Amino acid sequence: AQSVTQLGSHVSVSEGALVLLRCNYSSSVPPYLFWYVQYPNQGLQLLLKYTSAATLVKGINGFEAEFKKSETSFHLTKPSAHMSDAAEYFCAVSNGGYNKLIFGAGTRLAVHP
Amino acid sequence: GAVVSQHPSWVICKSGTSVKIECRSLDFQATTMFWYRQFPKQSLMLMATSNEGSKATYEQGVEKDKFLINHASLTLSTLTVTSAHPEDSSFYICSASTGGNEQYFGPGTRLTVT
Repeated sequence: AQSVTQLGSHVSVSEGALVLLRCNYSSSVPPYLFWYVQYPNQGLQLLLKYTSAATLVKGINGFEAEFKKSETSFHLTKPSAHMSDAAEYFCAVSNGGYNKLIFGAGTRLAVHP
Repeated sequence: GAVVSQHPSWVICKSGTSVKIECRSLDFQATTMFWYRQFPKQSLMLMATSNEGSKATYEQGVEKDKFLINHASLTLSTLTVTSAHPEDSSFYICSASTGGNEQYFGPGTRLTVT
């Protein structure tokens, strides 16, 4: 069975500060890992994905994530937060392709001036 | 490209009535569509997976007779909530896939049952 744990349901940073959102996964097979962003009352937008290629994955809006197998982690980072980054972020895992996504509980990112 | 729409975006219905939600892939053919449910401030829970022309596969604990899913074409899937009750009030999100390694999400439909 696969699962995702997102540490920290709420993260608050200052504008311009580093953003770090944590995600740990559990999978019995090589996982595919994803980060999505959700703005209020909207669907999900894919930020980036890991599909067994490069372990450092760059996504949209300046976000990136590093797959660390030894730590079973896939943390999301952004060097400098912007007010528009305030949203809900979801980490997800699948066992290959997109046949089924298992989502973490989500982390709400707040960015203050 | 890869746009998924949902209709309606917001619906209020009375308890005991049925509501149909449409999910369309606008610029691609979706061999697989997924339906998720999201409660306020919570994560997405997969309800069912549907392949065009086949019966949907429901996740454990999801009542297939209550949440009817039809995937009649490569661009349209519908979710019908039958005999809706207040506890069915939620945000319903669909996604569509071409079978490759990408799921494209719709904007969601907020259902309120009074």
